Amino acid sequence: GEDVEQSLFLSVREGDSSVINCTYTDSSSTYLYWYKQEPGAGLQLLTYIFSNMDMKQDQRLTVLLNKKDKHLSLRIADTQTGDSAIYFCAESPYGGSQGNLIFGKGTKLSVKP
Amino acid sequence: DSGVTQTPKHLITATGQRVTLRCSPRSGDLSVYWYQQSLDQGLQFLIQYYNGEERAKGNILERFSAQQFPDLHSELNLSSLELGDSALYFCASSSLLGRFNEQFFGPGTRLTVL
Repeated sequence: GEDVEQSLFLSVREGDSSVINCTYTDSSSTYLYWYKQEPGAGLQLLTYIFSNMDMKQDQRLTVLLNKKDKHLSLRIADTQTGDSAIYFCAESPYGGSQGNLIFGKGTKLSVKP
Repeated sequence: DSGVTQTPKHLITATGQRVTLRCSPRSGDLSVYWYQQSLDQGLQFLIQYYNGEERAKGNILERFSAQQFPDLHSELNLSSLELGDSALYFCASSSLLGRFNEQFFGPGTRLTVL
């Protein structure tokens, strides 16, 4: 069945880079997503990558996709205390009319000053 | 602010009761999704509606049901509540069907079943 896995915790120092890893199962997923959840808030789309891409860069964010290994990573450069949140990896395994997302359990990023 | 509103913000009720959670999607979005977030299960997809019609079903219990009304708002009905139903319930909306699907999430309703 579908399963998205990611490590549960990551702690970094302010100014360092953070790398959050994720593995997914459905090779037909055309898009893969990273969502961010701040305390007490809903999820917000951070970035996404199309499955025919290996890398996508968006300011401090870099997404790497290894389709062969079904591995996705999110790198946050120059991590700030405001980046402290839970980061969810998600896939959309059903094409066409079903757009529901399958989420990992989330990685809680703690940034120490 | 995502533009998706959910009411109520918090709900405390007892086992065996029935509650209704409400969601208003972003203006113009036809698709509404319901997700349940709990500590042990993470974020689980429950059900999707598109323009009033049920489009996809996930891990939704038979005690739960949903609908989308002509004005596109949606309600999630939870009945015969159990302690294990305590969770955050999120509604999300999107404008498109299909593969690229940016979903905008509401702030959630926190349900506590005592």
